[in-house]
Amino acid sequence: EDKVVQSPLSLVVHEGDTVTLNCSYEVTNFRSLLWYKQEKKAPTFLFMLTSSGIEKKSGRLSSILDKKELFSILNITATQTGDSAIYLCAVEDGANFGNEKLTFGTGTRLTIIP
Amino acid sequence: DTAVSQTPKYLVTQMGNDKSIKCEQNLGHDTMYWYKQDSKKFLKIMFSYNNKELIINETVPNRFSPKSPDKAHLNLHINSLELGDSAVYFCASSYGGGGYTFGSGTRLTVV
Repeated sequence: EDKVVQSPLSLVVHEGDTVTLNCSYEVTNFRSLLWYKQEKKAPTFLFMLTSSGIEKKSGRLSSILDKKELFSILNITATQTGDSAIYLCAVEDGANFGNEKLTFGTGTRLTIIP
Repeated sequence: DTAVSQTPKYLVTQMGNDKSIKCEQNLGHDTMYWYKQDSKKFLKIMFSYNNKELIINETVPNRFSPKSPDKAHLNLHINSLELGDSAVYFCASSYGGGGYTFGSGTRLTVV
């Protein structure tokens, strides 16, 4: 069974700090790893990673994947109160087209104190 | 124009009732999903459909019956609701290789 483990489960930091969120996984037919941000409603897409060692960046957020060690990290620099959310890591498993699915970790609840 | 829309947003009902949640996507995706998010915010897949065909059924009680009349719609019917069914149910779609897009969720409360 596919498994995704995120750490820490929760994190409280001050505005301006840098945070690193971790995600390790076991999956039968790895296709990609995705990061989502969830505030009050639907998870919103941040990154999709398929190749090892290639950093993806979007503003103050960045992420990288290590397919050999089976983990990914999500970095947020110069945090702001608007970054407070649950960050979800998911791995996409799919041996064949049409049977893909996402397995999620339990999430990291990030709280930014002004 | 909402990409993945589900209705209703909130549903409060008594134990033993039967209820349905509807989902529609206008992204042209072939695959649609139902996910359940429990009180600890853990998101777990329930079903996936690809072009109206059931692909994934993750050991969900048979009180839950998904129906896909066409590839843009995936509805979820729940019979004989139980307290443990209280959760947020998310519909999602993908183009089979990415582009996963989630609806805004239906918060189901069984009393």
